[in-house]
Amino acid sequence: QQQVKQSPQSLIVQKGGIPIINCAYENTAFDYFPWYQQFPGKGPALLIAIRPDVSEKKEGRFTISFNKSAKQFSLHIMDSQPGDSATYFCAATSRENAGNMLTFGGGTRLMVKP
Amino acid sequence: DADVTQTPRNRITKTGKRIMLECSQTKGHDRMYWYRQDPGLGLRLIYYSFDVKDINKGEISDGYSVSRQAQAKFSLSLESAIPNQTALYFCATSDPHGNNEQFFGPGTRLTVL
Repeated sequence: QQQVKQSPQSLIVQKGGIPIINCAYENTAFDYFPWYQQFPGKGPALLIAIRPDVSEKKEGRFTISFNKSAKQFSLHIMDSQPGDSATYFCAATSRENAGNMLTFGGGTRLMVKP
Repeated sequence: DADVTQTPRNRITKTGKRIMLECSQTKGHDRMYWYRQDPGLGLRLIYYSFDVKDINKGEISDGYSVSRQAQAKFSLSLESAIPNQTALYFCATSDPHGNNEQFFGPGTRLTVL
């Protein structure tokens, strides 16, 4: 049973749209929530991350929104571009987890149409 | 990421064969991980190692074994491959003094017939 549930599994938007990917977690000990981006034929790479002391974090066109009470967090991509087409994974871990162990969501395959 | 390399990149094998996937890194990180990726299931941890003398089972270690030959090398073996081990396999590293970021290799696509 996945401790981090991610939705949707796939998403198609037009260029300029704002795709939103949602994740929900169960373990209240989680206190670090990264998003990884994976292009075809490549390994995942860290995109952006948030800690629960803030409700939002922006880096360029990418924004994480965090709702601690609901145990949910989401990734928004502003002004999406075809080059953003990739698979996105949310993940979670806790500072108590000395091994940097990440629990990943199931992934979302995003396609941005020109 | 050229700092974490995996060989082979693709492999097709038959049921019952022994397979070894290799991972090397030049990041100087002590911590290394093996994951498998399946559609809809994300990345699941198979084994991890905090240093050369430390090996730990992950979420789905059955049917797999690992060897940490050096700080820079971490190999994954399938002792007797079965079709449901067909997947994309990733090696990753992390710095224990870093910010929890893991650095992934390019992956090995394994098909077991």
